[in-house]
Amino acid sequence: DAGITQSPRHKVTETGTPVTLRCHQTENHRYMYWYRQDPGHGLRLIHYSYGVKDTDKGEVSDGYSVSRSKTEDFLLTLESATSSQTSVYFCAISDGQGENQPQHFGDGTRLSIL
Amino acid sequence: AQSVAQPEDQVNVAEGNPLTVKCTYSVSGNPYLFWYVQYPNRGLQFLLKYITGDNLVKGSYGFEAEFNKSQTSFHLKKPSALVSDSALYFCAVRKERSQGNLIFGKGTKLSVKP
Repeated sequence: DAGITQSPRHKVTETGTPVTLRCHQTENHRYMYWYRQDPGHGLRLIHYSYGVKDTDKGEVSDGYSVSRSKTEDFLLTLESATSSQTSVYFCAISDGQGENQPQHFGDGTRLSIL
Repeated sequence: AQSVAQPEDQVNVAEGNPLTVKCTYSVSGNPYLFWYVQYPNRGLQFLLKYITGDNLVKGSYGFEAEFNKSQTSFHLKKPSALVSDSALYFCAVRKERSQGNLIFGKGTKLSVKP
């Protein structure tokens, strides 16, 4: 398995609180991605990074921000969590130019916002 | 716009029988297609990809996929299903002019009964 660690694995929090999810990789891959998985929607891209300090928005980026200060770490922040952000969040990485390379996924963070 | 469709929410197969999980796509240029599998409480695992070349692509765990350009399909197949193949399967297409971003189908749950 690719060296991807997501933390925490589970979190329960309240509406309006800030939440930060961490993705750590040991593969030295250039590309990193954050997805959310919801029933009936498959996986949807939130944000991605193509290098240190280089990030861009995905399909469902509203309410989320990201940061990548080191190659190995990609942080996803919910500035003020809402119940609609209850989901399972997956980090993924890919190598090279990213275009033809498969993405490899972490085991996810289950986030519940009450 | 690129899109991926998995027309079946669930596929039921008896152990030992062949299985097919369907995927159709829509892209404006050459398609780069991927299949992933997800087991409970785990991230997605890469199975196989089609970039160019032979229409029959072989992947992990005895799976293969057939690319059909005229029908814009990329169906996942396996000659003899195992109970352990029971999982959620996702088809994905690479988004053009992106940093390797993928668009995922909504997933098909495969159930293999003994």
